[in-house]
Amino acid sequence: AQSVTQLGSHVSVSEGALVLLRCNYSSSVPPYLFWYVQYPNQGLQLLLKYTSAATLVKGINGFEAEFKKSETSFHLTKPSAHMSDAAEYFCAVSDDTSYDKVIFGPGTSLSVIP
Amino acid sequence: DVKVTQSSRYLVKRTGEKVFLECVQDMDHENMFWYRQDPGLGLRLIYFSYDVKMKEKGDIPEGYSVSREKKERFSLILESASTNQTSMYLCASSLSGYGYTFGSGTRLTVV
Repeated sequence: AQSVTQLGSHVSVSEGALVLLRCNYSSSVPPYLFWYVQYPNQGLQLLLKYTSAATLVKGINGFEAEFKKSETSFHLTKPSAHMSDAAEYFCAVSDDTSYDKVIFGPGTSLSVIP
Repeated sequence: DVKVTQSSRYLVKRTGEKVFLECVQDMDHENMFWYRQDPGLGLRLIYFSYDVKMKEKGDIPEGYSVSREKKERFSLILESASTNQTSMYLCASSLSGYGYTFGSGTRLTVV
C-alpha cells in the first residue's frame, strides 16, 4: 500500500527565504501526486498536482514541486516566503489500486518569521 | 469554481446522540469522501463513495455510517456519538485524477 512521509512536522523560515518542504512516497509505480495547503480552521486547498506530464509542476501562490522518480520524491518549493504562506501543508499520493483515492502525509506546519 | 459545502462549521452534541453531518457539492463529481482530522494523526479516511447509493469503508469506519441517495450529497452519520469522536470532519469531492476539493470542515465537539 502507498504511504507518504513528510520530513519535518514543523519548518520555520524567514520572510523572503527559500521554502522547501519534503515529501517522499513509497510506491515504484508512478502515481498521481498532490500538495495541499490548510489555513487555520479551514479545509484543504489544492496547491498543485502531478499527473505524469511535466516533472516540474507549478501551482498557485508561487509554489512549485518537482517529481523525481528515482528518489520517489515530490518536494515543494517557493523561492521567497511570505508571511501569508504560514499554514499546514500536506503531500498526498494516489492509492495503488485507484487513482480516485488519495493517501495523505502527516503534514508540515510552516512558520514564517518576519 | 467547484464548491463543497458542509452544513455546519461548529457543532456541539451530547454523548449518545445521533449526529448527521451533511456535505453537498455542486460540480457533478462522482467521488465523495469523509475524513476526520486530529492533531498528530493527520487526515484519516472514514468512508468514501464512487457513485450514488455506493459506499466503501475507509481506514476508520467504526462508529460511523454514510448515506448517498443523490449524487451531490454525502452524509456522515454518527450512530451514537462518543467523546472520542470529537474532531474536525472534512468532506471532499473529486473527478478521477484531478485532486480533491474540500469543504471548510465541521468542528464537532461531543460532551
